[in-house]
Amino acid sequence: TQLLEQSPQFLSIQEGENLTVYCNSSSVFSSLQWYRQEPGEGPVLLVTVVTGGEVKKLKRLTFQFGDARKDSSLHITAAQPGDTGLYLCAGGGSQGNLIFGKGTKLSVKP
Amino acid sequence: DTEVTQTPKHLVMGMTNKKSLKCEQHMGHRAMYWYKQKAKKPPELMFVYSYEKLSINESVPSRFSPECPNSSLLNLHLHALQPEDSALYLCASSEGPYQETQYFGPGTRLLVL
Repeated sequence: TQLLEQSPQFLSIQEGENLTVYCNSSSVFSSLQWYRQEPGEGPVLLVTVVTGGEVKKLKRLTFQFGDARKDSSLHITAAQPGDTGLYLCAGGGSQGNLIFGKGTKLSVKP
Repeated sequence: DTEVTQTPKHLVMGMTNKKSLKCEQHMGHRAMYWYKQKAKKPPELMFVYSYEKLSINESVPSRFSPECPNSSLLNLHLHALQPEDSALYLCASSEGPYQETQYFGPGTRLLVL
């Protein structure tokens, strides 16, 4: 069974701080996606990482895919209140579905 | 354009009602999905349509009936739902089956009384 474990589950920080969210599995994934979700809204795709060791940057967000394609991380530099939300990692399941981690709820206080 | 649209945004229904949720995408994607999301939980897969044919049904109760009229549209027909079916229902699409990058709609917030 493919599982994705995200940590931490909750994160509350002050504006300007840096943070890292982790997504780990014992299974190999061909790609991993990161989504951000606001309450009552659908997940919005942030990035897809495909190649082991890949690093992608999206403004203040840096995404990394592990060399063995079993883990990924999301690093936010100088967090802002607008970064507040639920961050979900997801990978492809054997049936073409997405397997989601349980999410990291981020709160950035001004 | 990576937009998936869903209507209605909110829906309140009684246990004897029949209603439908609608999803539309114009990205030429050939795989479409229904997910159910309860509060503080990640989305859970319900159905997958691949090239307009139902390819996966994750043991969803028959009171949920999906329909794919064409490659751009996906419906979810609801009948005799239970209060525990109250949730955020999400539609997603991808270029093809087993394409792991999926684009989600804004969801329909369903409340069953």
